[in-house]
Amino acid sequence: AQKVTQAQTEISVVEKEDVTLDCVYETRDTTYYLFWYKQPPSGELVFLIRRNSFDEQNEISGRYSWNFQKSTSSFNFTITASQVVDSAVYFCALSEAPAAGNKLTFGGGTRVLVKP
Amino acid sequence: DTEVTQTPKHLVMGMTNKKSLKCEQHMGHRAMYWYKQKAKKPPELMFVYSYEKLSINESVPSRFSPECPNSSLLNLHLHALQPEDSALYLCASSHYTGELFFGEGSRLTVL
Repeated sequence: AQKVTQAQTEISVVEKEDVTLDCVYETRDTTYYLFWYKQPPSGELVFLIRRNSFDEQNEISGRYSWNFQKSTSSFNFTITASQVVDSAVYFCALSEAPAAGNKLTFGGGTRVLVKP
Repeated sequence: DTEVTQTPKHLVMGMTNKKSLKCEQHMGHRAMYWYKQKAKKPPELMFVYSYEKLSINESVPSRFSPECPNSSLLNLHLHALQPEDSALYLCASSHYTGELFFGEGSRLTVL
């Protein structure tokens, strides 16, 4: 069975601070995909990144960066120089090899509050 | 702006009512999903349609009835719901690459 754990339920920072969200996963599959989603107060889940199990390169996109470490089954997410607009709930998710009709296992989510 | 459109955004219904939630996407995705999300919880999968056929039903009660009229549309028919069914209902679609694209959701209140 697949499992995703986000140990931090809520993180509060002051604007411009960096914040790192932890994600630890469990799976027996050798091929799998990891995702991060952002859910602002409006409710829509916004896709941020997809990473497959064969690609351990870290990725940076603007103020966002991701650190995938297969050895520790972790896929952590860092927001650099946080802004108030980053306030949201962030979900890490895991799936088997992708296909149309893909079942995602979500972590419990981490609520990030960025104070001005 | 999301490319998955859900209507209505808010719905209040009694336990004896029949209502429907609607979802539309024009990204050419061949899979569509219904998720249910309670406050401060992650989304829970309800149904998956792949190529317009129901491929996953996560043991959802029959008072929820999905329908996929074509590859762009997904409905969720609601009948005889309970107050505990009040939640945010999210529709999503995906291509073969696996990432899901979600709509803004329909917030349902059952009185």
